Amino acid sequence: EPEVTQTPSHQVTQMGQEVILRCVPISNHLYFYWYRQILGQKVEFLVSFYNNEISEKSEIFDDQFSVERPDGSNFTLKIRSTKLEDSAMYFCASRADRVAKNIQYFGAGTRLSVL
Amino acid sequence: LAKTTQPISMDSYEGQEVNITCSHNNIATNDYITWYQQFPSQGPRFIIQGYKTKVTNEVASLFIPADRKSSTLSLPRVSLSDTAVYYCLVGDKDSNYQLIWGAGTKLIIKP
Repeated sequence: EPEVTQTPSHQVTQMGQEVILRCVPISNHLYFYWYRQILGQKVEFLVSFYNNEISEKSEIFDDQFSVERPDGSNFTLKIRSTKLEDSAMYFCASRADRVAKNIQYFGAGTRLSVL
Repeated sequence: LAKTTQPISMDSYEGQEVNITCSHNNIATNDYITWYQQFPSQGPRFIIQGYKTKVTNEVASLFIPADRKSSTLSLPRVSLSDTAVYYCLVGDKDSNYQLIWGAGTKLIIKP
């Protein structure tokens, strides 16, 4: 079964450093997402991406965040200057088409620890 | 924005049928109801989706009454491995792409 792949599984960084979280969505999917989940809390939407541009973003997704699809397979989330409160699980998800808009396939996540 | 309300937690025993009900009073005409499952330290996994009446797949059934203001996820004959958090989501009519997540229902299955 095709799956969304995320790397690394765990990223440890110092406050103020830049991090890039990587995702390989399912190959024929067109819509891509990043979510985060702080330990013990709700899944929070960050950003959606379609046709090589951001289609929607939440208030969390401020100027410190950016997304990119540098080639036909990878989808990355960059945090420019990490803060302690950025520590969370970050999930990438992808979706096949416009019709099944609520059916998203999630990766296993990257645990980001900011020290 | 459509919002959902679910019980915070539920307990059951192996072999039992478990029903988790979700309230979504403000569901929009074009919204679908979708349920996800999440194990600790893993990403959410799609379980089932429906619009009205009843939907069944190999994992679960979803019951939706005519007014669509609630839905019930039914897990037949649960096992210990069904212990997880279950999320009910409805499509956000103001956004084509965003899923809004509630706190979910933490289901604990006991032997």
